[in-house]
Amino acid sequence: QKEVEQNSGPLSVPEGAIASLNCTYSDRGSQSFFWYRQYSGKSPELIMFIYSNGDKEDGRFTAQLNKASQYVSLLIRDSQPSDSATYLCAQESAGGTSYGKLTFGQGTILTVHP
Amino acid sequence: DAGVIQSPRHEVTEMGQEVTLRCKPISGHNSLFWYRQTMMRGLELLIYFNNNVPIDDSGMPEDRFSAKMPNASFSTLKIQPSEPRDSAVYFCASSLLGQVTLAGGLSSYEQYFGPGTRLTVT
Repeated sequence: QKEVEQNSGPLSVPEGAIASLNCTYSDRGSQSFFWYRQYSGKSPELIMFIYSNGDKEDGRFTAQLNKASQYVSLLIRDSQPSDSATYLCAQESAGGTSYGKLTFGQGTILTVHP
Repeated sequence: DAGVIQSPRHEVTEMGQEVTLRCKPISGHNSLFWYRQTMMRGLELLIYFNNNVPIDDSGMPEDRFSAKMPNASFSTLKIQPSEPRDSAVYFCASSLLGQVTLAGGLSSYEQYFGPGTRLTVT
């Protein structure tokens, strides 16, 4: 069973709309969650991390964490064609000898059309 | 800083040949991660090192795969013998582990990924 689940999409939204990306996880002990963006043919790059319940905002991006329901989401406001990419959700292992280890979801392909 | 450096960027080899992928992490980082990415399985962690010591190699698929980190600035991932199913993009990433505490525990900070090596085994 995959520990981090994402809807692979593709998710298509018009320019200027809000894109909502969701992720569920199974490791209840996990403290930290990350959203990476990966353009086609490129390597992943971190755009947000969150470890407290609630919302965390950074520019057009908002990460939301609900530990009781074990889900993490990423909202992209005023979506731009340049946001078109695959978005990877990752959770960090909950301590022990594997701290620092990230488990990634399959990724959601986002397409923002003009 | 030049970021994480990987070589080669592309590798095409025949089944049965030995393949060696190389990685230079960001200077000052103490952790190094090897990932493999395919369409079917996504991004999978193969092995990671902390202070040059392998911490978790549970993702290494089988004995054909081996990884070393002889010093803080260099790591290799070797596949011997290679098989067509090893075809994938292999990423190396580095981070500064244990330097940032989140929610009261040790945690990794951002993992910086290299450009990847696209391996094709025919």
